[in-house]
Amino acid sequence: AQSVTQLDSQVPVFEEAPVELRCNYSSSVSVYLFWYVQYPNQGLQLLLKYLSGSTLVKGINGFEAEFNKSQTSFHLRKPSVHISDTAEYFCAVSNTNAGKSTFGDGTTLTVKP
Amino acid sequence: GAVVSQHPSRVICKSGTSVKIECRSLDFQATTMFWYRQFPKQSLMLMATSNEGSKATYEQGVEKDKFLINHASLTLSTLTVTSAHPEDSSFYICSAVAGGTYEQYFGPGTRLTVT
Repeated sequence: AQSVTQLDSQVPVFEEAPVELRCNYSSSVSVYLFWYVQYPNQGLQLLLKYLSGSTLVKGINGFEAEFNKSQTSFHLRKPSVHISDTAEYFCAVSNTNAGKSTFGDGTTLTVKP
Repeated sequence: GAVVSQHPSRVICKSGTSVKIECRSLDFQATTMFWYRQFPKQSLMLMATSNEGSKATYEQGVEKDKFLINHASLTLSTLTVTSAHPEDSSFYICSAVAGGTYEQYFGPGTRLTVT
């Protein structure tokens, strides 16, 4: 069994400030980790993924995340946010078999001018 | 590449009727498709896993006779909500996985409203 905990349900931040969205996971087997963004009334768009290799993963729109196996975390960061980054962000974990994913409850990022 | 479409994007139906939602992988073959349900301000809830040519695997608590899933080809899966009721109103999202990979490509979602 696997689970994902997104530690912050809402993160308000001012434009051009840095942001970190926290994600912890638990699993008894090796996993792949993902961050997705969802804009209102739309599907999910992949921001970045960790499959193996370097623990620092860079994604689209200036986002990056670091896989920390000892802390079972995969926090998402961006050094300077824009108004357009306002959206819902989901962390997900997938076991290495067949791609079935478990999603966190989501974090609402609100970027204020 | 890796585009997934859903049709319709929005549908309103009367209570007791059935509605079919299509999920297509436009530029790749999807050996596996997933169907999710999302309530407002909530996360995605996996309903079922659909594999081409075989019966779907439903998650615990999901009524297989109410939510019929067919994955007839490597590019098309359908979800039929039978005898819909207002409590079935939700946002339904599909995703598709290309063979040999672990990345899900998501469709844009279908907003179902049952009146």
